[in-house]
Amino acid sequence: DVKVTQSSRYLVKRTGEKVFLECVQDMDHENMFWYRQDPGLGLRLIYFSYDVKMKEKGDIPEGYSVSREKKERFSLILESASTNQTSMYLCASSRTTGGGQPQHFGDGTRLSIL
Amino acid sequence: GEDVEQSLFLSVREGDSSVINCTYTDSSSTYLYWYKQEPGAGLQLLTYIFSNMDMKQDQRLTVLLNKKDKHLSLRIADTQTGDSAIYFCAETPGSNDYKLSFGAGTTVTVRA
Repeated sequence: DVKVTQSSRYLVKRTGEKVFLECVQDMDHENMFWYRQDPGLGLRLIYFSYDVKMKEKGDIPEGYSVSREKKERFSLILESASTNQTSMYLCASSRTTGGGQPQHFGDGTRLSIL
Repeated sequence: GEDVEQSLFLSVREGDSSVINCTYTDSSSTYLYWYKQEPGAGLQLLTYIFSNMDMKQDQRLTVLLNKKDKHLSLRIADTQTGDSAIYFCAETPGSNDYKLSFGAGTTVTVRA
């Protein structure tokens, strides 16, 4: 089974801090994704990576950056955290582009910015 | 996502069938997915269907696709309390097949 592991289930940080969310997958997947989930809005894509050191902006990249130095690890960075970034963050991975390659999700990190 | 719409809530009695509906707008969608999210957890892939299929069955789950009406449904037979969760419909748009567009999710509550 695919395993996507997010480093923290719950995280509390202060406004203005630099925050790192880490995600690791163990299935040698090419693609990795970061989403945020807010009630009534479903999932919104923040950033996507299709290879090491490669990234693309999703629908809501403002205020975030990402890093993919190794194939199995994808980090989401909040450069200067703000209260409107309080949310549930979900990481996902998939084997390759092309249909029929479902995304597999981690358990999520619930981030609170005070 | 504004491209995928779902009703927000569904209440069903234990043992009955649940039907969760979804509509999408992109006629070039290639794959459509159903995910389940239990409280405090991530999304679990339940099933998916290719757009050239009308139906897919997997144990208690039946997916029906009406491509003409751009309507997808998930039927859960003999609904159990463990089926209480949020169910997300998602599509792979034909133009960008790495992305998934998600609906807002349907919260299913199973009552005894």
